[in-house]
Amino acid sequence: AQKVTQAQTEISVVEKEDVTLDCVYETRDTTYYLFWYKQPPSGELVFLIRRNSFDEQNEISGRYSWNFQKSTSSFNFTITASQVVDSAVYFCALSEAVGSQGNLIFGKGTKLSVKP
Amino acid sequence: NAGVTQTPKFQVLKTGQSMTLQCAQDMNHEYMSWYRQDPGMGLRLIHYSVGAGITDQGEVPNGYNVSRSTTEDFPLRLLSAAPSQTSVYFCASSYWQGGYGYTFGSGTRLTVV
Repeated sequence: AQKVTQAQTEISVVEKEDVTLDCVYETRDTTYYLFWYKQPPSGELVFLIRRNSFDEQNEISGRYSWNFQKSTSSFNFTITASQVVDSAVYFCALSEAVGSQGNLIFGKGTKLSVKP
Repeated sequence: NAGVTQTPKFQVLKTGQSMTLQCAQDMNHEYMSWYRQDPGMGLRLIHYSVGAGITDQGEVPNGYNVSRSTTEDFPLRLLSAAPSQTSVYFCASSYWQGGYGYTFGSGTRLTVV
């Protein structure tokens, strides 16, 4: 069955530290999509990235980078030089073309606290 | 502004009361869905719809009803609220299932006392 595991429940770092949020997924589909969302204290869900299963290229966007490895079924998210504004809950999610009928399956989230 | 609009933002219900959470989108998205978010549980799918007149159950459908009479609207009904339904509810829409990113509403915080 499809599943997304975010083993880190909470992470606390000091500003300017680098931090990696782990995401491991399970799927039987060959076509699937992986997402990261940010939920700041205000509560809304902010889309960060979408990756399809055929594109294993790593991606960098400013201080954010994502490492997608099909061999280990992982889609990890790294924040470089963290800032207080990065404090939020981060969700990894999976969408399968067939198995989940396209619906998003979320991990339980990782709460990141960045202290000044 | 185009997007997904959820109303109300906050609601307190008494056990046994009924209510409807509204969700509307103006992006002509065929796919819409409802999720609930509970502490430590992530977001779990309640119901979804792939188009007007078509709905299906998600992971946690018990206690909730939905209908989709138009492309724009996808209301979520609680027929007899229970304290276990205290949660934050998010509505989402997309052009189609999977693939493209989803647009989420700002959420409804529901408390059942």
